[in-house]
Amino acid sequence: EIVLTQSPGTLSLSPGERATLSCRASQSVSNSFLAWYQQKPGQAPRLLIYGASGRATGIPDRFSGSGSGTDFTLTISRLEPADFAVYYCQQYGSSPRTFGQGTKVEIK
Amino acid sequence: QIQLLQSGAAVKKPGASVKVSCKASGYTFTAYAMHWVRQAPGQRPEWMGWSNAGNGKTEYSQKFQGRVTITRDTSATTAYMELSSLRSEDMAVYYCARARGGSGSYPFDYWGQGTLVTVSS
Repeated sequence: EIVLTQSPGTLSLSPGERATLSCRASQSVSNSFLAWYQQKPGQAPRLLIYGASGRATGIPDRFSGSGSGTDFTLTISRLEPADFAVYYCQQYGSSPRTFGQGTKVEIK
Repeated sequence: QIQLLQSGAAVKKPGASVKVSCKASGYTFTAYAMHWVRQAPGQRPEWMGWSNAGNGKTEYSQKFQGRVTITRDTSATTAYMELSSLRSEDMAVYYCARARGGSGSYPFDYWGQGTLVTVSS
């Protein structure tokens, strides 16, 4: 099973600032099958990034993903009020599909 | 528009079973795989298994093997997840989630609204 470890656990930032979230895998993620999701309280996760760097439909270009192998990054270039939420990485290249423990981006 | 509409909240006793439905609309049901994910309060999402909607082939997480059954009714464009031998640790919100492709390795691009399952005596 691939274990995903996200850091930091919480990121305290102000609107307009840049957010950098990390996801490290316990073993290489095949074909960079790594996704990022955003989740707000009481809602289902929302797909942001797939294939490590591809933006899902309707996702603004302030969200970008990078990385390969075992190290991946989600960057939000300029935080907007709607971006304060919990973010999860997920690998979908092998079974079981696994999620990281999440990074909470909160308003400073 | 693409929608996944799940059945309502359920309260079950320990040892019972629960069956959650997921009615899909707005796309060709048989062209996309369907996954099931649960999330306990304050925890990360946890993948349970998936079904190829076209041929019904299923794969389950080893953690739930023997307790979970994923099925689908293509004529009703509905997917189902049944979990048996419920225990308190199974209390969570259960989601169906459409894969971005028909089989194999795809991310989950549409999610149901979630179904809260409470296990209590």
